Amino acid sequence: SQQGEEDPQALSIQEGENATMNCSYKTSINNLQWYRQNSGRGLVHLILIRSNEREKHSGRLRVTLDTSKKSSSLLITASRAADTASYFCATDAREGGSYIPTFGRGTSLIVHP
Amino acid sequence: KAGVTQTPRYLIKTRGQQVTLSCSPISGHRSVSWYQQTPGQGLQFLFEYFSETQRNKGNFPGRFSGRQFSNSRSEMNVSTLELGDSALYLCASKDGLYGYTFGSGTRLTVV
Repeated sequence: SQQGEEDPQALSIQEGENATMNCSYKTSINNLQWYRQNSGRGLVHLILIRSNEREKHSGRLRVTLDTSKKSSSLLITASRAADTASYFCATDAREGGSYIPTFGRGTSLIVHP
Repeated sequence: KAGVTQTPRYLIKTRGQQVTLSCSPISGHRSVSWYQQTPGQGLQFLFEYFSETQRNKGNFPGRFSGRQFSNSRSEMNVSTLELGDSALYLCASKDGLYGYTFGSGTRLTVV
């Protein structure tokens, strides 16, 4: 079963607008990660936020984490056409002797030039 | 620093055949994980190897297997291919506690 679930499934915006994606998860976590995937390619790690952090910034990215609600959001400010991709959240699920990132189904973002 | 390298990029196989995919992690990374990505199921964890030992395994049938060599390179094998095995297979390596670095994947099509 999916640990993280992104919302919305699809998002279409104009260049320059902000894009917000949300992720909900089910169990306690050590950290939550966001990844980007361009069509048919591998995933690119964007940002990791630890369970004791509430907000983190990286360039035009802002991630928040609310462990009481088991949710996270990814904000991309001043979006560009190059931001068009699928975005996934991943939480670490305890499996055997280590933590394995478990991914949601992703949010497909289209940024129109 | 070279990234994670997966070969081949594309593969077409016939039902019943077997296939071997290769993954070379970032130099110094000892953990290699494999994922299957399909439109219907999303990203599903297959297995993780660390220092040549399988540390974790996802919920896949025994037709899916893997191994890791002393240089950390990893292979995964799928025997008796089924149409439903058509997917993008992603390999990821990591060190320490930070995010995984993914390869570009191998697109497997079973016909």
